[in-house]
Amino acid sequence: DAMVIQNPRYQVTQFGKPVTLSCSQTLNHNVMYWYQQKSSQAPKLLFHYYDKDFNNEADTPDNFQSRRPNTSFCFLDIRSPGLGDAAMYLCATSRDGTVDEQFFGPGTRLTVL
Amino acid sequence: GQSLEQPSEVTAVEGAIVQINCTYQTSGFYGLSWYQQHDGGAPTFLSYNGLDGLEETGRFSSFLSRSDSYGYLLLQELQMKDSASYFCAAIRDDKIIFGKGTRLHILP
Repeated sequence: DAMVIQNPRYQVTQFGKPVTLSCSQTLNHNVMYWYQQKSSQAPKLLFHYYDKDFNNEADTPDNFQSRRPNTSFCFLDIRSPGLGDAAMYLCATSRDGTVDEQFFGPGTRLTVL
Repeated sequence: GQSLEQPSEVTAVEGAIVQINCTYQTSGFYGLSWYQQHDGGAPTFLSYNGLDGLEETGRFSSFLSRSDSYGYLLLQELQMKDSASYFCAAIRDDKIIFGKGTRLHILP
């Protein structure tokens, strides 16, 4: 089945220790998104790629970076995680011109010790 | 600014009908989507309204009124598995702005 895959599902890191979360998709969608979701809150868009074009949200901290080496893969790098970065990180995709319907991966739950 | 307002919690009885309202204020608005999210799970797409009116998909229906900046999600014949959070999301430009979500509790 075509899908969005996120690894790992659970990630524990230490305060200040860089961490990378990964996302892959078999849907061949050209748009990929990274969201941060904290408990009982809405998903918050961090950035998205339209093909290789990177679009950063104005309020996304510099601590968050992303890479998309090809259509299928996208990575979220947190350079120096703080306690406030503990959250669920969701990757999503959409087809060109259909931003209304996004396909989400299962998420990675990040814990910062 | 951009904002979406929806109730934080709604409680209904199994087999009943429930309506979750959403009002929005956003520039460059194209339409309204609804997503369902179970605890610990990913959001899943339910419906999209690009035009005014009602869209029906099985037990779920969604409505949009652009003149009122208002929409709702209607769930019929509620089942226990419908217990989840429901997010309205405004579609603008090339991205979605999510509301804070409505937690739906279903009583047997």
